[in-house]
Amino acid sequence: GQNIDQPTEMTATEGAIVQINCTYQTSGFNGLFWYQQHAGEAPTFLSYNVLDGLEEKGRFSSFLSRSKGYSYLLLKELQMKDSASYLCAVLDSNYQLIWGAGTKLIIKP
Amino acid sequence: GAVVSQHPSRVICKSGTSVKIECRSLDFQATTMFWYRQFPKQSLMLMATSNEGSKATYEQGVEKDKFLINHASLTLSTLTVTSAHPEDSSFYICSARDLGVDSYSPLHFGNGTRLTVT
Repeated sequence: GQNIDQPTEMTATEGAIVQINCTYQTSGFNGLFWYQQHAGEAPTFLSYNVLDGLEEKGRFSSFLSRSKGYSYLLLKELQMKDSASYLCAVLDSNYQLIWGAGTKLIIKP
Repeated sequence: GAVVSQHPSRVICKSGTSVKIECRSLDFQATTMFWYRQFPKQSLMLMATSNEGSKATYEQGVEKDKFLINHASLTLSTLTVTSAHPEDSSFYICSARDLGVDSYSPLHFGNGTRLTVT
């Protein structure tokens, strides 16, 4: 079966750095997405990785290792507004999105 | 950027009534739109894939007669929850990809509809 694992919840301090991991086992791979979702709102796109390596976009970076079936989202200089759920999703061989359960990130002052 | 508009954002209805949710792509065309449901503290669950001009493809366990999907144009898909019951109370979200971009383009989500059935 297809499976995406990410931690259920993480806590970090304002101004610090946090890394959210995602491991996957899917039928084929056509890229991995990270989305941010605030409570009661729809997800918003953060990043897309299809090749190995690190993609940096401001305070957020995303890393992919296809051989290991592994990705992480790195958030720097954390702000209170970064408190949200972060969803990892993989595009499989049929171009269907397989979603992880999401990681709830709690930022403390 | 691509915008998906979803209405209504909140709806409260009585048990047994039907509710229609609209999903529009405002500045791009989408032959395919996706309907998700999300229960509290859970991830997105794909309900169905809406295809313009043809029947929707429903995921296993989703009742097609209860969740009616119509995709009449390249910019509009509707989800109708028929004979709603309290257990249908959930957060419904639609999404679409920009036709002008390839399969790797991200999904653009509507703002979701919070349905409460009393």
